[in-house]
Amino acid sequence: EVQLVESGGGLVRPGGSLRLSCAASGFTFTSYWMSWVRQAPGKGLEWVANIKTDGSAKYYVDSVKGRFTISRDNAKNLLILQMNSLRVEDTAVYYCARDCIGDCSGVDNYWGQGTLVTVSS
Amino acid sequence: QSVLTQPPSAVGTPGQRVTISCSGSSSNIGNNPVNWYQHLPGTAPKLLIYVNHQRPSGVPDRFSGSKSGTSASLAIGGLQSEDEADYYCAAWDDSLNGHYVFGTGTKVTVL
Repeated sequence: EVQLVESGGGLVRPGGSLRLSCAASGFTFTSYWMSWVRQAPGKGLEWVANIKTDGSAKYYVDSVKGRFTISRDNAKNLLILQMNSLRVEDTAVYYCARDCIGDCSGVDNYWGQGTLVTVSS
Repeated sequence: QSVLTQPPSAVGTPGQRVTISCSGSSSNIGNNPVNWYQHLPGTAPKLLIYVNHQRPSGVPDRFSGSKSGTSASLAIGGLQSEDEADYYCAAWDDSLNGHYVFGTGTKVTVL
């Protein structure tokens, strides 16, 4: 069974940092691109970033470029999102998700339960 | 501000058919396949339709997707109370350097 379990969310002051982790199991982690998606309170879904299977390619939404870093540890089946210079508008539930493979395109049907990040003074 | 535009809400009664539109451009829907997600509060989003009209296993055939030009649609036939949720279209956008974009979202209410 595919499982994605996020951790690391919490309350942080503006300008602060937070590191989110996503532990993956039940599938061959090294075969899949992985994404982070967030949902701010009362807002819609927003794709944040994704990373290639071997970590050699990374893409970010413009609003987090230069502040967030996506990475992965394939030996530990771990997806990471390092968030620096956090802003109030980064407050959201952050989901880890597996990207599609094969005849599918985009984010697949496997998501974590989400972890809440609150940026507030 | 999303580049994929959806109506904010759609309303129907049990048994009715509801259609949700998703309007994009040549750099996203016009050139890439569209996915649809169902999102209930407090849960993880669920992939409902992929590559414009394909249904993952387990998704009822009441849900159908289509695409024409730079627009896509999700239809829910035989509306049920458990279909009350938020629905999002999504696609890759070539003009945004490999970004995946979600639509603005549509809240479906079952009266």
